Amino acid sequence: QKEVEQNSGPLSVPEGAIASLNCTYSDRGSQSFFWYRQYSGKSPELIMSIYSNGDKEDGRFTAQLNKASQYVSLLIRDSQPSDSATYLCAVNTYGGSQGNLIFGKGTKLSVKP
Amino acid sequence: GAVVSQHPSWVICKSGTSVKIECRSLDFQATTMFWYRQFPKQSLMLMATSNEGSKATYEQGVEKDKFLINHASLTLSTLTVTSAHPEDSSFYICSARDGGGIPTYNEQFFGPGTRLTVL
Repeated sequence: QKEVEQNSGPLSVPEGAIASLNCTYSDRGSQSFFWYRQYSGKSPELIMSIYSNGDKEDGRFTAQLNKASQYVSLLIRDSQPSDSATYLCAVNTYGGSQGNLIFGKGTKLSVKP
Repeated sequence: GAVVSQHPSWVICKSGTSVKIECRSLDFQATTMFWYRQFPKQSLMLMATSNEGSKATYEQGVEKDKFLINHASLTLSTLTVTSAHPEDSSFYICSARDGGGIPTYNEQFFGPGTRLTVL
């Protein structure tokens, strides 16, 4: 069974700090990796995608992928209270447009003013 | 770009009635759409995968005769909850995958969700 594991949290960080969210996956053949943000009562919003080893930066967000360790992470710099949400890690085994996403259960992040 | 809409955003119905939820991709063609359900404080649960012009693929444990899915065009998929009961009350969310010519590595974009309450 293909699995995506995340620490459920809550992860609490002070405003302005770096929040580090981690995710591991079981299928070594996974090729596409995504981070979604979900506010309470809302649907998920795609914030980052990453496909190759290394770092990918977009504004205050940095996604890191290590396929050898089957590990993907999301760093949020200068965390703001508005970043408080549940962050979902999602993994797709196939390349291109095939296959479904497998979601982790999410990590709840709380940024304290 | 990559906007997905859902209608209605919320619905309250009596037990035994049927409810139809629409999911539309507004600025791209979605060859594949997905339907999820999420109960309070729980994770997303994939119900079914819907491909344009073909029958939906349902996940194990999801009753295909109760949750009817139709993907009649590249921009519209519908989910009909038939003979709804209180235990069907949940947050139903669709997502769509861009079927354009350039591979998109399976990015899925979610609609805003439909909150169903069955009395």
